[in-house]
Amino acid sequence: DMKVTQMPRYLIKRMGENVLLECGQDMSHETMYWYRQDPGLGLQLIYISYDVDSNSEGDIPKGYRVSRKKREHFSLILDSAKTNQTSVYFCASSLRAGDQAPLFGEGTRLSVL
Amino acid sequence: GDSVTQTEGLVTVTEGLPVKLNCTYQTTYLTIAFFWYVQYLNEAPQVLLKSSTDNKRTEHQGFHATLHKSSSSFHLQKSSAQLSDSALYYCALSSLTSGGNYKPTFGKGTSLVVHP
Repeated sequence: DMKVTQMPRYLIKRMGENVLLECGQDMSHETMYWYRQDPGLGLQLIYISYDVDSNSEGDIPKGYRVSRKKREHFSLILDSAKTNQTSVYFCASSLRAGDQAPLFGEGTRLSVL
Repeated sequence: GDSVTQTEGLVTVTEGLPVKLNCTYQTTYLTIAFFWYVQYLNEAPQVLLKSSTDNKRTEHQGFHATLHKSSSSFHLQKSSAQLSDSALYYCALSSLTSGGNYKPTFGKGTSLVVHP
């Protein structure tokens, strides 16, 4: 079953703590993405990964870093989380071809207090 | 860079009436495909329909959209809105970057509320 899996689904952290969001897919998709979604701002691209260790900044990379050591797994790391990083984070994946629509995971709702 | 504009943040329509969600775009590089996504409350965005062909109507689940490159538009329409259509809708495109890879660009979304 084609699926993008995100863990955890809900997370509460204190300001200054480190945060690790994990994403997996079982479709051997080369390309993976991290987005954040905020009301009125839509889906904002944080990072895009075109394959293992081939990561590119998206539109709002500041305050985030990523890791992709296996094709099926893509992590988003927040070092010293800030309150303005409270958001819903979506991971997505797609085949490399440009006409492939990204398939989204169910999201992680992160609250930074 | 590329940009996608969805002009209305909120669209309300009476059940049974037609609805149109607007989407226009600007691109710098070669654009390969255009998408409409739908996101129901507390769910993930999911692709509703996709198009790569100019002036060709694409349909899915009662919705349709036609890509018009001459006017840089990809509006989403439905002839008879249903209560279950209430959701957040995103217009998106996929284009080739200067680095030779593809990158999707999303609009800010339009909330559709269908009322009885």
